[in-house]
Amino acid sequence: AQSVTQLDSQVPVFEEAPVELRCNYSSSVSVYLFWYVQYPNQGLQLLLKYLSGSTLVESINGFEAEFNKSQTSFHLRKPSVHISDTAEYFCAVKSNTGKLIFGQGTTLQVKP
Amino acid sequence: KAGVTQTPRYLIKTRGQQVTLSCSPISGHRSVSWYQQTPGQGLQFLFEYFSETQRNKGNFPGRFSGRQFSNSRSEMNVSTLELGDSALYLCASGPGLDNEQFFGPGTRLTVL
Repeated sequence: AQSVTQLDSQVPVFEEAPVELRCNYSSSVSVYLFWYVQYPNQGLQLLLKYLSGSTLVESINGFEAEFNKSQTSFHLRKPSVHISDTAEYFCAVKSNTGKLIFGQGTTLQVKP
Repeated sequence: KAGVTQTPRYLIKTRGQQVTLSCSPISGHRSVSWYQQTPGQGLQFLFEYFSETQRNKGNFPGRFSGRQFSNSRSEMNVSTLELGDSALYLCASGPGLDNEQFFGPGTRLTVL
């Protein structure tokens, strides 16, 4: 069965510092990979996705993630975070079975 | 385009009752999925519909059911509510089965 592991449940970081949120998945078949962000009392918003092609994908607000097939990872990074990036981040994998499987989430806490 | 809408946003029920939640997908989207989010279990896949047919089902008891209408709108029903059914229920829509999904704001169900 496929699974997604987000290695850190909470990541505290100071404003303007770099951050990496780690995500590993288990799957023996080709997958689609996603990062979603959830702000308090809101639904999930798609941050970025890997479907095929370039292994480095970027979002419009400065986040990027790199698909690493050999390490089965899809870590999310941002070189300089803002207070407004405080939220919960979910990594997800979708295989050819169609189900979207989520990790447990990582709470990013950006401190001034 | 308008986003995914879910009604109602908040709901309070008592044990043993049943509840119906509604989801209107983004215009043109034919895939609708439902997820349950709780602090303990995280985000769990309930089911996915495409063109009025259930394409995937998660590991939930038969008390959880759903359907999709010809206009792609979807409903999910939970019968004989239990305390553990208290959760945020998220609906997501996508253009097809293999694309990214866009989430609604969720319905917060509280079972007393």
